[in-house]
Amino acid sequence: SAVISQKPSRDICQRGTSLTIQCQVDSQVTMMFWYRQQPGQSLTLIATANQGSEATYESGFVIDKFPISRPNLTFSTLTVSNLSPEDSSIYLCSAGGQGYEQYFGPGTRLTVT
Amino acid sequence: GDSVTQMEGPVTLSEEAFLTINCTYTATGYPSLFWYVQYPGEGLQLLLKATKADDKGSNKGFEATYRKETTSFHLEKGSVQVSDSAVYFCALRVDYGQNFVFGPGTRLSVLP
Repeated sequence: SAVISQKPSRDICQRGTSLTIQCQVDSQVTMMFWYRQQPGQSLTLIATANQGSEATYESGFVIDKFPISRPNLTFSTLTVSNLSPEDSSIYLCSAGGQGYEQYFGPGTRLTVT
Repeated sequence: GDSVTQMEGPVTLSEEAFLTINCTYTATGYPSLFWYVQYPGEGLQLLLKATKADDKGSNKGFEATYRKETTSFHLEKGSVQVSDSAVYFCALRVDYGQNFVFGPGTRLSVLP
């Protein structure tokens, strides 16, 4: 299984600013994923990040708002730009395992004031 | 489109009670099925999985059997503990893609 860490674990940001979340995997993986989990809700996929190519965004999510980097096979960042209170959520990264499963990081809890 | 439906929560049980959390799915392909658990303030942990019909996934006393005829993957545990209190997510992944589809989650509270 993959061990995934995220930084920061939580942050409080002001409206209009941006937050960059880092995700580190302890082994090389082809695909990494970014999810949003709004309070009391299930997970919604934001985008899929492959190393060496542009991220693939799901419907309702755009690159200008959620730019993603994937510089190598163990690391990715998600930036949430121009923050508004509606962006207050938990943001989770995950990586694909060998047996179809995904492994998740502990999440980043974002509060926008 | 692909979707996962779970029983409504919250579910409240006494310690040592029997647990069932229902999960049904619709998928255009042949999915792999998963249960994830999220403890308070934490990320998701893979609890168990099954990749083909009639497979039984099991871990930590939890079990779920992939039933293709009823498109179901119900989670069961014979005797729950207070430490099992968490949110449980059923999920699927279809063969042709990497994307997961998650159910809405079921919150379980186990009382001593």
